[in-house]
Amino acid sequence: AQSVTQPDIHITVSEGASLELRCNYSYGATPYLFWYVQSPGQGLQLLLKYFSGDTLVQGIKGFEAEFKRSQSSFNLRKPSVHWSDAAEYFCAVGAGGSYIPTFGRGTSLIVHP
Amino acid sequence: EAQVTQNPRYLITVTGKKLTVTCSQNMNHEYMSWYRQDPGLGLRQIYYSMNVEVTDKGDVPEGYKVSRKEKRNFPLILESPSPNQTSLYFCASSYKGPSSYEQYFGPGTRLTVT
Repeated sequence: AQSVTQPDIHITVSEGASLELRCNYSYGATPYLFWYVQSPGQGLQLLLKYFSGDTLVQGIKGFEAEFKRSQSSFNLRKPSVHWSDAAEYFCAVGAGGSYIPTFGRGTSLIVHP
Repeated sequence: EAQVTQNPRYLITVTGKKLTVTCSQNMNHEYMSWYRQDPGLGLRQIYYSMNVEVTDKGDVPEGYKVSRKEKRNFPLILESPSPNQTSLYFCASSYKGPSSYEQYFGPGTRLTVT
């Protein structure tokens, strides 16, 4: 079965600084990969996804993520963080034909002014 | 507007009093799921359904029931709630097949059991 790890429980950055949130997965082949964002009091919203093709994917709100097969990673990046990016971020993996994704435990992003 | 709706959004109840959280989607999705979110544990799947009258257990099904009598609705039932079921609950839906991994989430229901 697949698994996904988000090693950072909390990340603190200053507004305007760059951001990278880490996500590592365990699966024998290339899985489907997702990043979701959960703003306070809200449901989860899809930021971006990777199914195949170009390993650098662009998402909404200025986010991007890069799939690196050799490192089994799908890290989320943003060049300049805004205060409104403060939220919980979840990485998810889909694989194995179950059609049900596995979610990481989430990374809480704190943005300092 | 394509959406997943949940009701109620907030619920405070007492131990043992049966409750139902409703979930409805208007995207004609085949798959629907229930998750609970707890601090430090992320999202854990409770139950899922791949079609009408087809449901299966997720990772944490104990204490919960579901039914899927219509394609659009997937209610979550707590027959005898206990304090350890205090949590934030999300309903989600998705298309059939490989794209089913992409979940569309409802706004969440915050449940407190005293």
